[in-house]
Amino acid sequence: DSGVTQTPKHLITATGQRVTLRCSPRSGDLSVYWYQQSLDQGLQFLIQYYNGEERAKGNILERFSAQQFPDLHSELNLSSLELGDSALYFCASSPGTGPYEQYFGPGTRLTVT
Amino acid sequence: ILNVEQSPQSLHVQEGDSTNFTCSFPSSNFYALHWYRWETAKSPEALFVMTLNGDEKKKGRISATLNTKEGYSYLYIKGSQPEDSATYLCASHLGNQGGKLIFGQGTELSVKP
Repeated sequence: DSGVTQTPKHLITATGQRVTLRCSPRSGDLSVYWYQQSLDQGLQFLIQYYNGEERAKGNILERFSAQQFPDLHSELNLSSLELGDSALYFCASSPGTGPYEQYFGPGTRLTVT
Repeated sequence: ILNVEQSPQSLHVQEGDSTNFTCSFPSSNFYALHWYRWETAKSPEALFVMTLNGDEKKKGRISATLNTKEGYSYLYIKGSQPEDSATYLCASHLGNQGGKLIFGQGTELSVKP
């Protein structure tokens, strides 16, 4: 158990809908990262927050947004969902933005039908 | 090299064999190189974070080396066991990009008893 929690574990929704994925980092970690793993794709970095501020951004679609709250939990919002958004979404956390190990949560499996 | 590349893509060995995989990464703007172990139906688990050229890290039967000048890292497993079966991922951590990691596609290791 990495200490990172993600909810829900599974999510099935229809195209055009909007969903929110939630992540709680390990106790004491200030950085939260979001990754996407689609079929036949490696882990793709989406976005990083550090202590409530956006710190780094990957190829995150405009339909996707994230935020980190004062209690350091983070939410990833996915809107106008398309079939291609079906993927495993991981959250990870680390103490800061330096060369730290990132601790991954169990992931949320999103299926868009 | 612009991307993170891992070879081989997959590897099948017998219990007791020693094995090694390669990770090639961009050598410019290098900050750190991460290795993760990812078992099926679980989430990625950090093995090593390496920052210095010539660095060598060890955890049990697993060790890794780093050459930042030429942009490669090797992961070695001595005396492979069936429980070592997993996908091994490396990730490049570039400077000035926060905690963003660029993952390779992974090497899938299968160890037969």
